[in-house]
Amino acid sequence: GESVGLHLPTLSVQEGDNSIINCAYSNSASDYFIWYKQESGKGPQFIIDIRSNMDKRQGQRVTVLLNKTVKHLSLQIAATQPGDSAVYFCAEKPQGGSNYKLTFGKGTLLTVNP
Amino acid sequence: ETGVTQSPTHLIKTRGQQVTLRCSSQSGHNTVSWYQQALGQGPQFIFQYYREEENGRGNFPPRFSGLQFPNYSSELNVNALELDDSALYLCASSLLLNTEAFFGQGTRLTVV
Repeated sequence: GESVGLHLPTLSVQEGDNSIINCAYSNSASDYFIWYKQESGKGPQFIIDIRSNMDKRQGQRVTVLLNKTVKHLSLQIAATQPGDSAVYFCAEKPQGGSNYKLTFGKGTLLTVNP
Repeated sequence: ETGVTQSPTHLIKTRGQQVTLRCSSQSGHNTVSWYQQALGQGPQFIFQYYREEENGRGNFPPRFSGLQFPNYSSELNVNALELDDSALYLCASSLLLNTEAFFGQGTRLTVV
């Protein structure tokens, strides 16, 4: 079936380095993608989103890149800080439909070393 | 904080029992979705409620049911609990046509 998956389950970086978290999706009908950050004991927190008619979107210290040709999504975090340590999920939403159903991947655990 | 509140935060139930989880949506949001997140996994969509009616359902059996009230708060009910129902249950509120969902902190359900 259709699914969203991640290439790497864990990522460890040094404070101040840039982080790149990758995600592969298989549902070509998806037209909206979101990155969430989930800290221990908390619910997912919206980071940034991108629509399928865009290739890149930037936020504060974060950039999302979408490559529709290879169905790949990435989240770039600049100058990673200890507070960025969390599990990061990509999620997709199929085009159309009357409801807001998100399909999440398994997540990548980001650890930032001081 | 998102303004979405869930109760209780933790709960322990025995296999075969029934459980009710509650969610208050963010002010102004009329749509509530429920997700189940097993340990080490991403959240999985259970169902969504809009204006007190179910508006889409994931691959969950009928013993998972829900309600939405006129004030847009919501309940998730699970009957005949099974050990595999142990998970973090997340509620998310949004405007139907707004693509951003705000999640609560979740209810950690343990079935023993």
